Amino acid sequence: KNEVEQSPQNLTAQEGEFITINCSYSVGISALHWLQQHPGGGIVSLFMLSSGKKKHGRLIATINIQEKHSSLHITASHPRDSAVYICAVSRGSQGNLIFGKGTKLSVKP
Amino acid sequence: NAGVTQTPKFRILKIGQSMTLQCTQDMNHNYMYWYRQDPGMGLKLIYYSVGAGITDKGEVPNGYNVSRSTTEDFPLRLELAAPSQTSVYFCASSYRTGGAPMNTEAFFGQGTRLTVV
Repeated sequence: KNEVEQSPQNLTAQEGEFITINCSYSVGISALHWLQQHPGGGIVSLFMLSSGKKKHGRLIATINIQEKHSSLHITASHPRDSAVYICAVSRGSQGNLIFGKGTKLSVKP
Repeated sequence: NAGVTQTPKFRILKIGQSMTLQCTQDMNHNYMYWYRQDPGMGLKLIYYSVGAGITDKGEVPNGYNVSRSTTEDFPLRLELAAPSQTSVYFCASSYRTGGAPMNTEAFFGQGTRLTVV
C-alpha cells in the first residue's frame, strides 16, 4: 500500500463546478504539500500545511491530522485549472517528499 | 529570482552513453533533491543533499551519481544509460534550519525529459 493515496485518479468537470481532490496518508508527517503540474511543465507548490486550512484565491486546502487526510478544493473551476494535482508529505530528517500518484483534472468550457 | 534551473529540458541518449543533468538554485537553500517521475507513478527520490559536500542515496539511486561542491549546484550524473532510465527528472530545493522539522516550501525545476534508446 502506498504511503500517500490520492483520489480520484482522473476528474473531469464543467467550468464553474466545485472540485474536491482527496489525499490520505499512512505515516507521521511534518507537513503536507499540494503541488500543481501542467502538461509538459514543471511542478509548482500550491500549499504547504501542517494543520487547519489555507486559502489562496479560488483554492482551499484543509488537513485533518487525526484522520491523516487532506483535501484540495477548487471553487468556480476554470479550464486553466486543468492540470495534475499532486499531494506529497514531508517527514524524517532528510526532508524529502513522499508523493501520491497525482489527480489529473480536466475542466471543460 | 530564477529559483531552480535545470538543463537540458530534453535529451535523447543511446544505451551506454553518459550525461550530466544540471541543477542550480539561487535561493541559498541547503537541501536539494533529485526525483524521477514515471508514468502513472508518484515521484521517487534518487539522491539528496543536506548541504555542500554532503549527499546521500534516496529510494532509487542505482545507475546515478551526484555531487554537491557548492550550495547552488547539484548535478546528477548518469553513467551507462539504460532504457529503464527513460523518465522525467526533477530537481528540487528547500530550506531547513538546525533540528527544525521539514516544513518549508519545496521549489522545483522545470524538469528534464530523458529518453534512452
